[in-house]
Amino acid sequence: DAGVTQSPTHLIKTRGQQVTLRCSPKSGHDTVSWYQQALGQGPQFIFQYYEEEERQRGNFPDRFSGHQFPNYSSELNVNALWLGDSALYLCASSPPGLAGYEQYFGPGTRLTVT
Amino acid sequence: GDSVTQMEGPVTLSEEAFLTINCTYTATGYPSLFWYVQYPGEGLQLLLKATKADDKGSNKGFEATYRKETTSFHLEKGSVQVSDSAVYFCALSVSRNSGNTPLVFGKGTRLSVIA
Repeated sequence: DAGVTQSPTHLIKTRGQQVTLRCSPKSGHDTVSWYQQALGQGPQFIFQYYEEEERQRGNFPDRFSGHQFPNYSSELNVNALWLGDSALYLCASSPPGLAGYEQYFGPGTRLTVT
Repeated sequence: GDSVTQMEGPVTLSEEAFLTINCTYTATGYPSLFWYVQYPGEGLQLLLKATKADDKGSNKGFEATYRKETTSFHLEKGSVQVSDSAVYFCALSVSRNSGNTPLVFGKGTRLSVIA
């Protein structure tokens, strides 16, 4: 049973560019959440998608947007990248009925903005 | 708002030593509590959880008890191994009428176990 997968593993972008990160949830899971983990910090919640809609959102600017597809996979888009956006971006999925309660994390995408 | 405070690391122990990592929380409502572990270069793995007061979560020799009176969820292990070296995160989620809140994490505690 494949767990949560994310792509790419690493990414280097220049300030002002745009980036798209991808996530495939664990089989049978329908809810996807995205977190940003800065170096030496705990993950911070960005937003959560369920039934192709954003259900909850953390304290992140509109430069951060997302999408969920009918197969439950998800994308995180960040526009006008700042140096401060450099972080590990984690995707987590939840099974039906337990959204936001028990989450399974992917290995993350390491984004470096130069 | 909801928050988690955990002891700052790094924590360095010899193999077979006793481990305690302190975690306290603030939450409106009744949170579920979690410990996640992050090995070098990897994502987070759920280590254990507790959903109500006095519950004890346990896994792989690790234990933590949900103490409502002290708003704490300290992680313990009787005898650590080199393979336990990782970063440990305490986290909470609160059940509300609109659903469960996203996970709120502490800053993490880095554990290094030396042979």
